[in-house]
Amino acid sequence: RKEVEQDPGPFNVPEGATVAFNCTYSNSASQSFFWYRQDCRKEPKLLMSVYSSGNEDGRFTAQLNRASQYISLLIRDSKLSDSATYLCVVHGGTSYDKVIFGPGTSLSVIP
Amino acid sequence: NAGVTQTPKFQVLKTGQSMTLQCAQDMNHNSMYWYRQDPGMGLRLIYYSASEGTTDKGEVPNGYNVSRLNKREFSLRLESAAPSQTSVYFCASSEPGQGSSTGELFFGEGSRLTVL
Repeated sequence: RKEVEQDPGPFNVPEGATVAFNCTYSNSASQSFFWYRQDCRKEPKLLMSVYSSGNEDGRFTAQLNRASQYISLLIRDSKLSDSATYLCVVHGGTSYDKVIFGPGTSLSVIP
Repeated sequence: NAGVTQTPKFQVLKTGQSMTLQCAQDMNHNSMYWYRQDPGMGLRLIYYSASEGTTDKGEVPNGYNVSRLNKREFSLRLESAAPSQTSVYFCASSEPGQGSSTGELFFGEGSRLTVL
């Protein structure tokens, strides 16, 4: 089993739709969780950190369920500019080599 | 500020050739990383350097060497390139946050390497 798994996608949604991405991780000792965004043929960039209490940044909401080892990202009122690949990132411990990237979920927002 | 700068952006090699990917950051970060990204695999860590003067192997170090030349620069060398090393390579840097957090990773624009 991969350490971090994501919905394979691609997700094709119309503008204005709400879309949710799921991510699961296998290491129960994981401590920090993030969503990164990667545009086509570009470098990944941090979208938001994920906290146990859940957190929201504008149209984006991230949730963490430690018991189920599950992370989610909800995007409301999708914009064309949201089209990208979303990477789930899990930090498994105190060592730098324990930052694990999921394979990513591709989103296309259609006019 | 340029952030993280990688060179070259594109390179085509023949099997057995050697080359070095250069990376420099101007954010005064202590930690630097080299990742490779292949379709469907996610980013995989090749080597990392927690601070100037130290380097450690990541998940996929075979076939690569690194040098942390100073706090700014972290280079990745392929001594004898193989077709399996065809990939997109990303350099990143970070400043450790509180506790065990590595802090946000800042990436370079990537280097696209093809080995024939």
